[in-house]
Amino acid sequence: DTGVSQDPRHKITKRGQNVTFRCDPISEHNRLYWYRQTLGQGPEFLTYFQNEAQLEKSRLLSDRFSAERPKGSFSTLEIQRTEQGDSAMYLCASSLGRGKNYGYTFGSGTRLTVV
Amino acid sequence: AQKITQTQPGMFVQEKEAVTLDCTYDTSDQSYGLFWYKQPSSGEMIFLIYQGSYDEQNATEGRYSLNFQKARKSANLVISASQLGDSAMYFCAMRPRQGGSEKLVFGKGTKLTVNP
Repeated sequence: DTGVSQDPRHKITKRGQNVTFRCDPISEHNRLYWYRQTLGQGPEFLTYFQNEAQLEKSRLLSDRFSAERPKGSFSTLEIQRTEQGDSAMYLCASSLGRGKNYGYTFGSGTRLTVV
Repeated sequence: AQKITQTQPGMFVQEKEAVTLDCTYDTSDQSYGLFWYKQPSSGEMIFLIYQGSYDEQNATEGRYSLNFQKARKSANLVISASQLGDSAMYFCAMRPRQGGSEKLVFGKGTKLTVNP
């Protein structure tokens, strides 16, 4: 069990470019979550997958954002036509289920800077 | 809608002393879960403790305990015997236990600094 891995750790991109982040959850975890955290704020929910099905999306997830989990294992989060307001830490988490015995395990995040 | 309020932007504590981090919440749900997470400068969110809304006893995990007062809608985190490694951001969060939503709602966090 190597925990939740996120790649890259840091990404600097020019406004208007597309970026893609990857998340590898703990292997036996069927639930995967994406959160966004801006400076001085707590994480905000973006989306949730159970296996390969995307079951919940936040209104924060605009048309420029898309997430996939094609085989129920790793997930990607793509941002098209990046804007300066997209600069944030993008956190991925995974879990086996709900309840106190199934706390989320978070990765270390991908820090995106849009210049 | 659910909301978490953490009114202490920063807290200072001497090593080996206890500290309480405040958290109040607002929800119309009858069944929900409350979480505390620690975020060191590395960025990873580390799960500390969980309290279910129907749990009759306050949760404890090692040096962490949760002072749950349901009528006041508060879920304060108590850290006993503070250590230098406890210096970090601390976030309170909640999630409905029933229904389909998996969304965790977080507060803005409290920055804890432990002084030697």
